[in-house]
Amino acid sequence: GAVVSQHPSRVICKSGTSVKIECRSLDFQATTMFWYRQFPKKSLMLMATSNEGSKATYEQGVEKDKFLINHASLTLSTLTVTSAHPEDSSFYICSAVPGTTGDTQYFGPGTRLTVL
Amino acid sequence: DAKTTQPNSMESNEEEPVHLPCNHSTISGTDYIHWYRQLPSQGPEYVIHGLTSNVNNRMASLAIAEDRKSSTLILHRATLRDAAVYYCILKNGFQGAQKLVFGQGTRLTINP
Repeated sequence: GAVVSQHPSRVICKSGTSVKIECRSLDFQATTMFWYRQFPKKSLMLMATSNEGSKATYEQGVEKDKFLINHASLTLSTLTVTSAHPEDSSFYICSAVPGTTGDTQYFGPGTRLTVL
Repeated sequence: DAKTTQPNSMESNEEEPVHLPCNHSTISGTDYIHWYRQLPSQGPEYVIHGLTSNVNNRMASLAIAEDRKSSTLILHRATLRDAAVYYCILKNGFQGAQKLVFGQGTRLTINP
């Protein structure tokens, strides 16, 4: 149980285009999901906290107009990287917290974004 | 957020036990100690967590010092598949779903 999926697993896009990444909790409902970014050889950095039915909370330094987050249901959150640039190339990882406990985060497999 | 300190890297041999240390001298009474690991090119996965008592599960054991200022993750018999970055993270037990603050973790190498 407690499986989180992400789609796509890899994406390559041209500079200036927008890319949408989906994060789904497959066998549980998640009131809260988190989006992280990880550069090569670095640790995960939290970008934003996504709450179902309300606006996301962004970490300091993360542009909310560039990284659009939508958490429209208890099993789906999306991250849209708008007007992507090469410096946005990174490994994007989501996590979800089961609605009842809040003790453990379950992570998706990650999405590798490459912007040319 | 209370900080944790871990060695940057450790190395061990296959089928031997591995003890991964973590210092958290500023831990508060309501902070749980969580361990996650991240295999190459994958998202992190939950390993174990505890508050005061030692904990065991099918993946590992967690030994917590009596003063709670340090803990050790124990892999009883390492395999090549245990090669990963291991993160020790403190999480307040009364705040429900909350963000995890990842440090640099310990990169564990397992030699065949």
